[in-house]
Amino acid sequence: KAGVTQTPRYLIKTRGQQVTLSCSPISGHRSVSWYQQTPGQGLQFLFEYFSETQRNKGNFPGRFSGRQFSNSRSEMNVSTLELGDSALYLCASSPPRVNTEAFFGQGTRLTVV
Amino acid sequence: AQSVSQHNHHVILSEAASLELGCNYSYGGTVNLFWYVQYPGQHLQLLLKYFSGDPLVKGIKGFEAEFIKSKFSFNLRKPSVQWSDTAEYFCAVKEEAAGNKLTFGGGTRVLVKP
Repeated sequence: KAGVTQTPRYLIKTRGQQVTLSCSPISGHRSVSWYQQTPGQGLQFLFEYFSETQRNKGNFPGRFSGRQFSNSRSEMNVSTLELGDSALYLCASSPPRVNTEAFFGQGTRLTVV
Repeated sequence: AQSVSQHNHHVILSEAASLELGCNYSYGGTVNLFWYVQYPGQHLQLLLKYFSGDPLVKGIKGFEAEFIKSKFSFNLRKPSVQWSDTAEYFCAVKEEAAGNKLTFGGGTRVLVKP
């Protein structure tokens, strides 16, 4: 079974631009969550999508948004990039049952210059 | 709000030494508990998990963790570490009825000297 796939792996953007990151979950998983990992703040939850609906949202500004498609693939978008958005963005998928763990992708390393 | 704290930011030890990493959380309700490991250059991988039942859980690579409900703790242990255990370790908590949202501790970097 293929794991969680995130594209692209690396991205360099200029301040003020916007960026879209993609995540393909493990086949059969309907929940996709996004996390931001930085040296200073650690791993912080951005949002979770389940069956195309946002189920949970973390404490991030509205510049961070996401969506999920009918095939469970998810995208997150960051508009008006700031230097502080430089981070590793991780996607995790979970199967549709209770008491389950999250499976993480390799992440997308975003650098804002 | 839920918070998770890991007591040590960095741990350095020699091969064959024992390892114990502390984790405490603040949520008073039902939780699922996890330890994830991130080896250099690799993605987060699950070491072990606790949902219910026996509070002593065993995971991969000889790791185990004990859930002590009264102390809101979920400490990770390994009796004898190897150089290949060099990694960053994260404790994570999932609250009941919070979907699959994980709250992570700050992580502990473990360096095992050969």
